[in-house]
Order: sequence, then structure tokens, then C-alpha cells
Amino acid sequence: GQQVMQIPQYQHVQEGEDFTTYCNSSTTLSNIQWYKQRPGGHPVFLIQLVKSGEVKKQKRLTFQFGEAKKNSSLHITATQTTDVGTYFCVSHTGNQFYFGTGTSLTVIP
Amino acid sequence: EAQVTQNPRYLITVTGKKLTVTCSQNMNHEYMSWYRQDPGLGLRQIYYSMNVEVTDKGDVPEGYKVSRKEKRNFPLILESPSPNQTSLYFCASSLSGALYGYTFGSGTRLTVV
Repeated sequence: GQQVMQIPQYQHVQEGEDFTTYCNSSTTLSNIQWYKQRPGGHPVFLIQLVKSGEVKKQKRLTFQFGEAKKNSSLHITATQTTDVGTYFCVSHTGNQFYFGTGTSLTVIP
Repeated sequence: EAQVTQNPRYLITVTGKKLTVTCSQNMNHEYMSWYRQDPGLGLRQIYYSMNVEVTDKGDVPEGYKVSRKEKRNFPLILESPSPNQTSLYFCASSLSGALYGYTFGSGTRLTVV
């Protein structure tokens, strides 16, 4: 199936530092979704990117979709303790979904 | 409140004893899916359903069954659970397939001894 690789697997940052997670595919993606899962919680949908080169912002979060639609990134500016959790990118083939392995973010106060 | 409701939240059972995890959504979503989450393996899709009476295998369907007799319900059935099915299970729904984001249930932590 269609797989997406996510890096890094873990990231520890000081509160106020920036954070970026990357998602890469060997094949062209139709779209890509991003989710956040807090510790002990369930994944929560953040955003979907569809167009080549698309950039979307949600407050301190910036999401990008590569020009070739083979990679995506999530950047958080000035992290806060509320940003703690695991961030997943999700691709699909038809109606079958594939979650990336996730990036676990720890924010040190 | 729009939500996906899973029950039970926690379940400990013995090998071979049939069990059902229920999932219900109140958003009139067409698409529903089951995932299992395991450390180091992330979330893997078990089964999904595009609509009533339409179900398809995901990445890891072995040992599981599903049914979609009504739009709102999508139960996950383990006919003969085994210890390797010990996992955290999530049900999720979306308006219609891959073009929309999922709403996830709170999860069911299953232990098979």
C-alpha cells in the first residue's frame, strides 16, 4: 500500500522554540491530512492539503504540500506546552488510509 | 454534540472468547473505519465501510469481522481473540471517504490473555 515516512520520530524542544515534522512519499499523493494525538487521547483532524505547493496556516501551525505532491511538512512556531502530542500525516489509496509513523513532540517548559 | 462513541473503553478477555466492540456516530457520515494502534507501528486500518452493507479490508483485517447494517453503527467483531490482538482500537468516521477528515472515537484498550 501507499506509505508515508515521517521524520523525526521524536523531538524535544524548549518552550518557545520552533518545531517541524516532515512527511515523505515515494509516490504522488492525491492529498494529505494531518492529525494530532495528545497523550492518552485520540487523533484529532487538523487539516487537509490538496493542491500542489499549497500552504495553509492555523495560528502558529503552518502546513505545506510539496510542488510534486510527494512531501508535506507541519511547522509550529514558538511551541507551547499545549502543543505536546504526536503528529501524524495521513495519505490514502482509494478509500484506504495510511498513517505515517508519527512525530512525538515534547515541549520542555 | 457530534461524536463517535465506542464501547467499551477498556476490555480484558481470554483467548478464544468472542467479543464485539461497538461504534456509533451521530453525524450521518457515510464512511466508517476501524484502526488499531500499536507502539512503533502507528495506526493501521483494519476494515472500512463506504456505506451501509459495503465493507472492505484495510491493511490488517485478519482475525476481525465487521458489519454495517445501519449507517450509524459499525461494530468490530473478534470471533476468536488471540494475544496478538491486544491493542488500542479506534473507530473513526468521515462524511465521505478520502476527501474529508476523520472524527475519531475515544478508543478501546483491549487486552487478550
